[in-house]
Parts: sequence; structure tokens; C-alpha cells
Amino acid sequence: KAGVTQTPRYLIKTRGQQVTLSCSPISGHRSVSWYQQTPGQGLQFLFEYFSETQRNKGNFPGRFSGRQFSNSRSEMNVSTLELGDSALYLCASSYRQDPYEQYFGPGTRLTVT
Amino acid sequence: QKEVEQNSGPLSVPEGAIASLNCTYSDRVSQSFFWYRQYSGKSPELIMSIYSNGDKEDGRFTAQLNKASQYVSLLIRDSQPSDSATYLCAVTSNQAGTALIFGKGTTLSVSS
Repeated sequence: KAGVTQTPRYLIKTRGQQVTLSCSPISGHRSVSWYQQTPGQGLQFLFEYFSETQRNKGNFPGRFSGRQFSNSRSEMNVSTLELGDSALYLCASSYRQDPYEQYFGPGTRLTVT
Repeated sequence: QKEVEQNSGPLSVPEGAIASLNCTYSDRVSQSFFWYRQYSGKSPELIMSIYSNGDKEDGRFTAQLNKASQYVSLLIRDSQPSDSATYLCAVTSNQAGTALIFGKGTTLSVSS
């Protein structure tokens, strides 16, 4: 079974721009969760989408948003980029039921200059 | 504030030894616990999950959970240089199990 895929893998943006990242979950998985990983803060939960609806949200500003499509693919968007948004953005997919295991994609490395 | 604490390391062990990684968590209602391995420049890889008190073994890995003490650990037997990585402890923070709280990770170095 193919794993979680994310595109693009690397991205360089300028402060003030916006960016859209894409995630395709493992076939059959309907839940997609997004995480931000930085050296200082570690891995932090951004939000989760299930059945095209945001089900959970972490403690991030409204500049971070997302959506999910009917085929379970998900996108996240960051508007008005700041230098501090430079990070590895990871998505993880799961069945959203016991055993609640989440599997991560390779991530998108975003650099904001 | 729900937290997951891990010693950052580095934890250095010789090849063939047992590596012991520890994790404590603050939220008593957490139900699911995971260990991820992350190689430098790669994404986290799920290696163990545990849901009930006691031990769970999978090959060279054993996860141990003690909910009363809010403590979870990972033992790696017969450590190999390929086990050198950062090990992340994760705990569910919601009933759906889809919002994970991660520790900062413990870096393990296995010398040959």
C-alpha cells in the first residue's frame, strides 16, 4: 500500500506571501492531521480534517488554514508568511478509529526569507 | 497545558546493548501512546503503539506503559548503529486520537 505523499517537498517563499501545501493520505484513510516541526518547538499539532470537515485545531493563528476534499486529499494554506513559519510541515493520515495510529508523509520543508 | 517530557540526550550505548528511552506525560485522560523514530532529515516513522498498562513487544522493541505513574518507556534490545536516531514519544490529546502531543525527542547514538 502506498504511503502518505506530500507536495511540494521543498519550498522557498518571501515574507508576506502565501503558500499551499498538499497531502494525499494512505488509501482508505479518511483522517488527515497536519503538524509543524521546528528545532525550537518540536512537533506541534496544527489541525485535523475528517470527512471534509475540520475536527480539531491546535494553537496556531488564523493564518494557518486547511481543507479536505471528497477523496480525502488535504491542503493547508499559510497566508502572510512570517520568518517564523519556516519549518517542516508534516501531514499524517489515519483511519480515525482504533488503533488510532497515524502515519506521516515525508513532509514539506518551507523556508521563508 | 498538556505536556510530554523526554530527556533530550544524547543517549549513547554500545552496539548490542539495551537502550532505554523514557517519557512522562501530564494528561491523565490520555489513552493512546506511540513511539516514533526520526532519522535526521526524514519524517517520523511509527515503531510502537501501546494502549494498556504493561509491556508490548515487537521484535527488538518493547514498549512499557504505566498509566498510574503517567510513564511510558521504550526498550531497544541488541541495539544496532542503524538505531541511531531521535525517538519521539507521542500521546493522544483528544478522544478521536487524531491530535498527538509530542515530546521533544531523545537522540540515541549506538556506537559500533
